[in-house]
Amino acid sequence: AQSVTQLGSHVSVSEGALVLLRCNYSSSVPPYLFWYVQYPNQGLQLLLKYTSAATLVKGINGFEAEFKKSETSFHLTKPSAHMSDAAEYFCAVSESTGNQFYFGTGTSLTVIP
Amino acid sequence: DTAVSQTPKYLVTQMGNDKSIKCEQNLGHDTMYWYKQDSKKFLKIMFSYNNKELIINETVPNRFSPKSPDKAHLNLHINSLELGDSAVYFCASSTWDRGHTEAFFGQGTRLTVV
Repeated sequence: AQSVTQLGSHVSVSEGALVLLRCNYSSSVPPYLFWYVQYPNQGLQLLLKYTSAATLVKGINGFEAEFKKSETSFHLTKPSAHMSDAAEYFCAVSESTGNQFYFGTGTSLTVIP
Repeated sequence: DTAVSQTPKYLVTQMGNDKSIKCEQNLGHDTMYWYKQDSKKFLKIMFSYNNKELIINETVPNRFSPKSPDKAHLNLHINSLELGDSAVYFCASSTWDRGHTEAFFGQGTRLTVV
């Protein structure tokens, strides 16, 4: 089975600072990777996905992630944090059949004014 | 139009009761899921259905029984509710493609057992 590990269950950044949320995956086959965001009392919304095309993936709200096979990583970044970015972020990996999504344990992002 | 909709959004019930959560998707997807999110925000897959057939049944108590009357619906029935069942339950859907599609999530059902 595939899995993902998110380092850091809580991350705090100042408004305007760089956001870096870490995700490492384990997979014996090329993975499909996703980042989701969950705002309080809401469902999960897709930020971006990697599907074996470009290794640098751009998503919504200014977020992007880079797939690094040698490091088995798919870290999420945003150059400048905004107060509205405060939320829970989940990294997920999909099996090749696409019928199962394995989620990391989530990272809670706090943005300090 | 809401892509994946769940009802109810909130559910408060007593221990021992039986309750159902309904889920519908209008995306034309052929795979639907139920996830449980605990108080620590951890997301655990419970069930996965493809074209109305059960394909994933993780280790959950048999008090939980999913039912898929058609490809657009996947309901979750829970018998003899226990305090530990309190959580947020998410329905999701995707297409059975070779991993290229993301899962679309409903807004969740917050179940509180008292």
